[in-house]
Amino acid sequence: AQSVAQPEDQVNVAEGNPLTVKCTYSVSGNPYLFWYVQYPNRGLQFLLKYITGDNLVKGSYGFEAEFNKSQTSFHLKKPSALVSDSALYFCAVREGNQFYFGTGTSLTVIP
Amino acid sequence: NAGVTQTPKFQVLKTGQSMTLQCAQDMNHNSMYWYRQDPGMGLRLIYYSASEGTTDKGEVPNGYNVSRLNKREFSLRLESAAPSQTSVYFCASSEWGTSNQPQHFGDGTRLSIL
Repeated sequence: AQSVAQPEDQVNVAEGNPLTVKCTYSVSGNPYLFWYVQYPNRGLQFLLKYITGDNLVKGSYGFEAEFNKSQTSFHLKKPSALVSDSALYFCAVREGNQFYFGTGTSLTVIP
Repeated sequence: NAGVTQTPKFQVLKTGQSMTLQCAQDMNHNSMYWYRQDPGMGLRLIYYSASEGTTDKGEVPNGYNVSRLNKREFSLRLESAAPSQTSVYFCASSEWGTSNQPQHFGDGTRLSIL
């Protein structure tokens, strides 16, 4: 069965420091992985995706994600956090026409 | 660029009342979805429509019905609202059968059942 786990409900990081939001997945075939961001009172916005190819994927707003097949992980990263990055982040895996979401990680960037 | 539009944005109902949440997308996507978002539980799929004319149950369909009115519109109906249905409801759309494409979300309907 497909599933996505985000082991941290909350991540705090100081402004200017690198950030990592963790995600692990379980799928039966090739993984199609996505990261979304949700700001207060808004819907989810697509950040980046991994389909095939390079294990380091670059996306919007300076975010990137590292795909690791052996660890079945797809961690979201940013070299230097901004206060405006504070939001709720969701990892998701797609199989066919269905998407499976993690429970979300709340990121707070401290000025 | 409207994307996915949901109406209404907010609604308060009394237990037992009915209501329909509306969703429309202008991206010519085949697939549409309804989710509910509750604190600590992420997104849970209520119903989805892979293409016009088809609908399927998701993880939490009880108490809800859907209608895929045409390719653009996908509505969610609560026939007899219960306090447990207090939640934020999101509609999403995506390309069908193309696994490398993400979903696009509306901004949600915040529903309170008293």
